[in-house]
Amino acid sequence: AQKVTQAQTEISVVEKEDVTLDCVYETRDTTYYLFWYKQPPSGELVFLIRRNSFDEQNEISGRYSWNFQKSTSSFNFTITASQVVDSAVYFCALSGSNGFQKLVFGTGTRLLVSP
Amino acid sequence: EPEVTQTPSHQVTQMGQEVILRCVPISNHLYFYWYRQILGQKVEFLVSFYNNEISEKSEIFDDQFSVERPDGSNFTLKIRSTKLEDSAMYFCASSQQGAFTEAFFGQGTRLTVV
Repeated sequence: AQKVTQAQTEISVVEKEDVTLDCVYETRDTTYYLFWYKQPPSGELVFLIRRNSFDEQNEISGRYSWNFQKSTSSFNFTITASQVVDSAVYFCALSGSNGFQKLVFGTGTRLLVSP
Repeated sequence: EPEVTQTPSHQVTQMGQEVILRCVPISNHLYFYWYRQILGQKVEFLVSFYNNEISEKSEIFDDQFSVERPDGSNFTLKIRSTKLEDSAMYFCASSQQGAFTEAFFGQGTRLTVV
């Protein structure tokens, strides 16, 4: 069975601090996909990134970066120089490669960025 | 930019009533999904749909639930006889090539059963 664990329920930081959101996953699939989604207070789910299990290169997109480590089954997300607009719930998710994208979500980490 | 559109944004219904939640997926997408998020909890998979049939469903998706693609653009989720515990945010999603491309989510329909 697939499982995603986000142990951090809530993180509070002050603007401009860096923050890392942890994600640990479990799967028996050799090919799988990892995702991060952002859920702002308005409620929608915003896609941030998708990585496949064969691509362990870290990725940077502006202030966002992702660290994928297969050895520890982790896919952590770092926001550099956080801003108030980053306040949201962030979900890590996992899917297999059976043709359909059934996403298994973690419980989410609520990030509060104060001015 | 193409987006997944869901209507209504909020629906209040009486217990035992039928509800239909509507979604318009992105036009060139072939794979469709419904997910549910009970308030404050994680997002849970309900069902995936491809080639006019259900490809996978979760244990949540019991006989009270059904999905349909009645025409070339809409994708609906029907709950036949709503229960209080069906109160949740329901998200529709679509992807172009299933597991090989990312799924894009609609803004959600908040269903409140009273």
